[in-house]
Amino acid sequence: GESVGLHLPTLSVQEGDNSIINCAYSNSASDYFIWYKQESGKGPQFIIDIRSNMDKRQGQRVTVLLNKTVKHLSLQIAATQPGDSAVYFCAEIPSGGYNKLIFGAGTRLAVHP
Amino acid sequence: NAGVTQTPKFRILKIGQSMTLQCTQDMNHNYMYWYRQDPGMGLKLIYYSVGAGITDKGEVPNGYNVSRSTTEDFPLRLELAAPSQTSVYFCASSSRVNQPQHFGDGTRLSIL
Repeated sequence: GESVGLHLPTLSVQEGDNSIINCAYSNSASDYFIWYKQESGKGPQFIIDIRSNMDKRQGQRVTVLLNKTVKHLSLQIAATQPGDSAVYFCAEIPSGGYNKLIFGAGTRLAVHP
Repeated sequence: NAGVTQTPKFRILKIGQSMTLQCTQDMNHNYMYWYRQDPGMGLKLIYYSVGAGITDKGEVPNGYNVSRSTTEDFPLRLELAAPSQTSVYFCASSSRVNQPQHFGDGTRLSIL
């Protein structure tokens, strides 16, 4: 079968640059959001999360921004490295949803030396 | 710490055959989930469980069944396999609501 992400939008960046991956979520009642990284042949790997009572959260080299007014989520990766090349998914959990994730379509990040 | 383990990693089935995809986790998580991922798409929820003995349908449950007899195991059963079930299947678990889900590495299933 086809590999994951074959038809996904691609963000190409140079090694060392900052990357910004955007996501529009669908449910205004969602109160928890997660970014996942998926490498070829692997399952999604947790990167960072944010709750709806926050608008920014920082991790190691990553920052997530949440704009509830326009239902927009972004993931910023500082000093992008070749190992960051993967497909990135945002996911939302509507309140009262038993932790059921609703995934966005994904963005492929390609890091060039 | 193995996390979430899925077997088999790959399988080819003929139309009409049945099989069980295995999933086990060693993190003592109550919540477990089955997703499918079609090419170029995000994951869609098939079934989920909030504890042993409790299961419920997700977004795309038709053609699948699950059981949850123990906290650790959450097998997914395909009855009468159809080409539309060709996909990559992921199992995940989480400790409670509003906590990240941890994923296995998937089972790649082709039905011919």
